[in-house]
Amino acid sequence: GESVGLHLPTLSVQEGDNSIINCAYSNSASDYFIWYKQESGKGPQFIIDIRSNMDKRQGQRVTVLLNKTVKHLSLQIAATQPGDSAVYFCAENRGGKLIFGQGTELSVKP
Amino acid sequence: DAGVTQSPTHLIKTRGQQVTLRCSPKSGHDTVSWYQQALGQGPQFIFQYYEEEERQRGNFPDRFSGHQFPNYSSELNVNALLLGDSALYLCASSLIGDQHRGTGELFFGEGSRLTVL
Repeated sequence: GESVGLHLPTLSVQEGDNSIINCAYSNSASDYFIWYKQESGKGPQFIIDIRSNMDKRQGQRVTVLLNKTVKHLSLQIAATQPGDSAVYFCAENRGGKLIFGQGTELSVKP
Repeated sequence: DAGVTQSPTHLIKTRGQQVTLRCSPKSGHDTVSWYQQALGQGPQFIFQYYEEEERQRGNFPDRFSGHQFPNYSSELNVNALLLGDSALYLCASSLIGDQHRGTGELFFGEGSRLTVL
């Protein structure tokens, strides 16, 4: 069935390095994606979103890339900090209903 | 400006019991959605309420029901609890206008952690 999934369940990076978290989706009609950050014991927090008419969108220290040809999107975090340690989810927004992937746990080593 | 608030934060029930979880949306928001998040998984959409009616529903049995009140707050009810219902239940609020335009974000609460023994 249709799904949104992530390539790796865990990612460990050194503080100051860049992080890349990947996500694949199966529905070619999908047109709105969102990245969420979830810290332990908290609800998901919006990071950045992108629509299918864009290939790239930048925020503060974060960039989302969308490749519609291979149905893949990625979240890049520049100069990763200890406070970035969390589980990151990509989600597709289908008319207000979010379809989440399983998540990637990012660990930042000091 | 209060964000999304949920209660209770933690609760323990036994199989067969019933539970009610509560959510107050972010100020100004009119739409409430509920999600179930099992340990180590992404949140799964349960249903969405707007104008006191269920507007969308995910793949959850009828044991899961909800309600939205005139002040936009919402309740999630689960009957005949099963061990598999143990999860973090998340409430998210938004504006229906933003939703229709495909803009704006959903704001999540901290969740209610339900343990079924």
